[in-house]
Amino acid sequence: AQKVTQAQTEISVVGKEDVTLDCVYETRDTTYYLFWYKQPPSGELVFLIRRNSFDEQNEISGRYSWNFQKSTSSFNFTITASQVVDSAVYFCALSEARGAQKLVFGQGTRLTINP
Amino acid sequence: EAGVAQSPRYKIIEKRQSVAFWCNPISGHATLYWYQQILGQGPKLLIQFQNNGVVDDSQLPKDRFSAERLKGVDSTLKIQPAKLEDSAVYLCASSLGLQETQYFGPGTRLLVL
Repeated sequence: AQKVTQAQTEISVVGKEDVTLDCVYETRDTTYYLFWYKQPPSGELVFLIRRNSFDEQNEISGRYSWNFQKSTSSFNFTITASQVVDSAVYFCALSEARGAQKLVFGQGTRLTINP
Repeated sequence: EAGVAQSPRYKIIEKRQSVAFWCNPISGHATLYWYQQILGQGPKLLIQFQNNGVVDDSQLPKDRFSAERLKGVDSTLKIQPAKLEDSAVYLCASSLGLQETQYFGPGTRLLVL
């Protein structure tokens, strides 16, 4: 069975600090996708990134970066120079890369950026 | 490009009543999903459609929940009769196809009293 664990329930930092959100996953599939979504107070899940299990290159997009480590089954997300607008709940998710793409979500990490 | 639309945004009902939610996916998206998100948890898939056919409804409580996507575009999720534990946010998502990225709507927040 697939499982995603986000051990950090809540994180609070002061703006401009760097912050890393941890994600650990379990799957028996050899090919799979990993995702991060942002859920601001409005409630809508906003897509941030999708990663194929064959692609272990780290990715950077502006102040966001993702570190995929297949050896430790982790897909961590770092926000550099955090801003108040980054405050949200962040979800890591996993899906198999064959058949129906059923997303399995972690419990989420509530990130609060204080001014 | 318009995103996934959902209505209503909020609904309050009493237990044993019925309720229906509506979703309009992104234009051209063949795959549509309904998720249930209980407070403090990640979303859980209820049902997945490919065009107007059901791909996966293994986690849908079929004794009270039903969903349809008759013309392969809009979809309706119904709960009849509602229970207190159905209080949650119901999220609709759509994707171009089965292996494409899912994009979510704003959700419907349901409170059952």
